[in-house]
Amino acid sequence: DAGITQSPRYKITETGRQVTLMCHQTWSHSYMFWYRQDLGHGLRLIYYSAAADITDKGEVPDGYVVSRSKTENFPLTLESATRSQTSVYFCASSESILGDVNYGYTFGSGTRLTVV
Amino acid sequence: GQNIDQPTEMTATEGAIVQINCTYQTSGFNGLFWYQQHAGEAPTFLSYNVLDGLEEKGRFSSFLSRSKGYSYLLLKELQMKDSASYLCAAASGGYNKLIFGAGTRLAVHP
Repeated sequence: DAGITQSPRYKITETGRQVTLMCHQTWSHSYMFWYRQDLGHGLRLIYYSAAADITDKGEVPDGYVVSRSKTENFPLTLESATRSQTSVYFCASSESILGDVNYGYTFGSGTRLTVV
Repeated sequence: GQNIDQPTEMTATEGAIVQINCTYQTSGFNGLFWYQQHAGEAPTFLSYNVLDGLEEKGRFSSFLSRSKGYSYLLLKELQMKDSASYLCAAASGGYNKLIFGAGTRLAVHP
């Protein structure tokens, strides 16, 4: 099915462990984004990618690593998870950096990550 | 700096009209988006304004004043299913990506 999928939906991990969150889209959208959403902060951009092998930092990139070897995949890795990284993570895709004027960004269903 | 402000919570009655305001301070402004987000779900796109004025889409309308750094989302004929968070997002800064506000949680009651 066409769409944008994130996995896992829920994850509990321990402090210090490496965790990778997956994001896959089937539209061949050029732009992909990772946001985190915390109560009181709204959505904050972690990293984004304009195309395969092109990535750049957003507002809150510290502690995260991304890669984009294929257009359809944009995994987010927490190199050494900390409790402050407990959050809901959303992946999004779009043909333009701002989103389509009629459709905006298309978001995945999110990954709820708890670091204990 | 960049700043987007919107009320934290609002309540309204089924069938009524509600206006959710958003003020923004950004550089290199390139448009204002509104998204709806139900609890536990992903945000979904509602509207986009880049020019001053009102854009109407069915029960939802969005207004922008670039000179005042102000936007609002107007929801008419409220339904219970409109209970959700509404996120204001502005294209901001030299890198021209979306910056989201913290969201307004709207509760619609009978």
